[in-house]
Amino acid sequence: QITLKESGPTLVKPTQTLTLTCTFSGFSLTTSGVGVGWIRQPPGKALEWLALIYWDDDKRYSPSLKSRLTITKDTSKNQVVLTMTNMDPVDTATFYCAHSFKYYDSSSSSYMGSYFFDFWGQGTLVTVSS
Amino acid sequence: SYELTQPPSVSVSPGQTARIPCSGDALAKQYAYWYQQKPGQAPAVVMYKDSERPSGIPERFSGSSSGTTVTLTISGVQAEDEADYYCQSTDSSNTYLLFGGGTKVTVL
Repeated sequence: QITLKESGPTLVKPTQTLTLTCTFSGFSLTTSGVGVGWIRQPPGKALEWLALIYWDDDKRYSPSLKSRLTITKDTSKNQVVLTMTNMDPVDTATFYCAHSFKYYDSSSSSYMGSYFFDFWGQGTLVTVSS
Repeated sequence: SYELTQPPSVSVSPGQTARIPCSGDALAKQYAYWYQQKPGQAPAVVMYKDSERPSGIPERFSGSSSGTTVTLTISGVQAEDEADYYCQSTDSSNTYLLFGGGTKVTVL
């Protein structure tokens, strides 16, 4: 079965860079169509999509945070890493990683994004404070 | 910037019908997806491609689309349906994803 788990620091200082790792099982990022994304949720607030990476290294970023985010994959370790620079207290949130996918469309002979998340990790709370 | 708009809250009595709208210009062209999130839990998808229900989701959950508004409907609401619900979609060119602000469904 598909599982994902986020790991990283629980506390970072303002201006520091946050590095989070998503370790997954039950699928591989070498398989055509597979993707992993990151979503965050400040306490008591709404979900916010951050980034998404696919098996073919197609990467998507939130326009409002693009300058601060980098998403990479390590297929040998079944991991996806998200870095967010210049952290601020307003970035305090629970960060989730989640599985997504593209599906093959025979009519166009290409992969089409599903653009949703069908399996989620449990989330990890990151607090930004000095 | 592009946004998806949801009402902050919806209240419904047990057995009644809850309707949660989500509006956004690109919804006329792009699919919407719905997630249910209960306190302390990760979100879980309850509807995809506007009106497709994942396996394991009760039939009382349904989705519809009309123009720039999509709607998640919960028929015969049960106490266990009390949760936050988020719509999610993409911009008109599928460049980025976004979530709505969420709707808290309260079962009276």
